[in-house]
Amino acid sequence: AQSVSQHNHHVILSEAASLELGCNYSYGGTVNLFWYVQYPGQHLQLLLKYFSGDPLVKGIKGFEAEFIKSKFSFNLRKPSVQWSDTAEYFCAVNVHTNAGKSTFGDGTTLTVKP
Amino acid sequence: NAGVTQTPKFQVLKTGQSMTLQCAQDMNHEYMSWYRQDPGMGLRLIHYSVGAGITDQGEVPNGYNVSRSTTEDFPLRLLSAAPSQTSVYFCASSRGQGLFFGSGTQLSVL
Repeated sequence: AQSVSQHNHHVILSEAASLELGCNYSYGGTVNLFWYVQYPGQHLQLLLKYFSGDPLVKGIKGFEAEFIKSKFSFNLRKPSVQWSDTAEYFCAVNVHTNAGKSTFGDGTTLTVKP
Repeated sequence: NAGVTQTPKFQVLKTGQSMTLQCAQDMNHEYMSWYRQDPGMGLRLIHYSVGAGITDQGEVPNGYNVSRSTTEDFPLRLLSAAPSQTSVYFCASSRGQGLFFGSGTQLSVL
């Protein structure tokens, strides 16, 4: 079975700082990778996804993530964070042959100070 | 567009009571799933469905039942509520390209 590990539980940054959130997964086969965001009091929304092709994917609100197959990693990045990026971020994976079953990491809470 | 609709938004139960959390989607998605979210534990999959009439267990299925009689609906039944089932429950649907979530149900079991 697949599993996901997020390295940072809570990250605090000042506005304009750069962001990188770590995500590693364990599964020997082909996977689809996702980052979701949950703003305070809201439900989860898809931020970006990787299925195949260019390992550097761009999502909404200036976020991007890089898939490094050799490291089983899918780290989320943003060059300059804003106060409105304060949220909880979840990395998720599903197996290519069972797209209905996604496994999530424990989440990283990002606090951006104005 | 309604997307994924969950009801109720809040519910308080007594230990041993049963109830059904409703979930409906209007996007004709084949995949539907139920997750529970607990602090520091991310989202854990309870049950999921890959199409009408087909369901399977996720990571934490004990104490919950599901059925998928139509493409649109995927209710979650708590058979005999326990305090350990106090959580926020999210329903999600997908065509395999990423999950669309409902707004959640905050459940407290006393």
